[in-house]
Amino acid sequence: EIVLTQSPATLSLSPGERATLSCRASQSISTYLAWYQQKPGQAPRLLIYDASNRLTGIPARFSGSGSGTDFTLTISSLEPEDFAVYYCQQRSNWPTFGQGTKVEIK
Amino acid sequence: QVRLQESGPGLVQPSETLSLTCTVSGDSISSSLYYWVWIRQPPGKALEWIGSVYYSESAFYNPSLKSRVTISVDTSKNQLSLKLTSVTAADTAVYYCATGAYGSGSYYPPGYWGQGSLVTVSS
Repeated sequence: EIVLTQSPATLSLSPGERATLSCRASQSISTYLAWYQQKPGQAPRLLIYDASNRLTGIPARFSGSGSGTDFTLTISSLEPEDFAVYYCQQRSNWPTFGQGTKVEIK
Repeated sequence: QVRLQESGPGLVQPSETLSLTCTVSGDSISSSLYYWVWIRQPPGKALEWIGSVYYSESAFYNPSLKSRVTISVDTSKNQLSLKLTSVTAADTAVYYCATGAYGSGSYYPPGYWGQGSLVTVSS
């Protein structure tokens, strides 16, 4: 099983600031990594697939990068609706998720 | 746009079988464009992929749950189902059905999700 480790566990930032979230895989997964956003009481929402491809309708302030074992989700300027938990997920092997990073208001 | 709705009992007795149904609307569950998946999330914890099925193939299951899980498709009702046997408190979770695009041999991450169904295992 491929283990995804997300860091930090919690990110405390103010609206307008830049958020940088990390996801590290226990072995190379090429670019088979997705990012989801989840708000309390809601299902996860797919933001980015295959490391850097943003879904239609996802704001341009969300961007993904990385390959191999190290990946990053960047939110260039936080909007109030961006405060949520973010999960990474790999599909290189049996699909697994990271433990999540909570982006909270500072 | 595909829409998914989970349904089933919210409370299951320990050692019993958890059964959930996902009703699909907006497209056919037999479509070659999608695969179908069950994912769960224990309260306050991360997501776990339970298993997935593509219409023309056998279901694939999480190795840690494989001996207890069955996922099937009812094309006449456009429904996906999940059965999990011998449940314990550790199976308490919100269960989501979801679907993702299938193409060129690749199963893309699920972009459509149901709202989720909370199942509590307790006597």
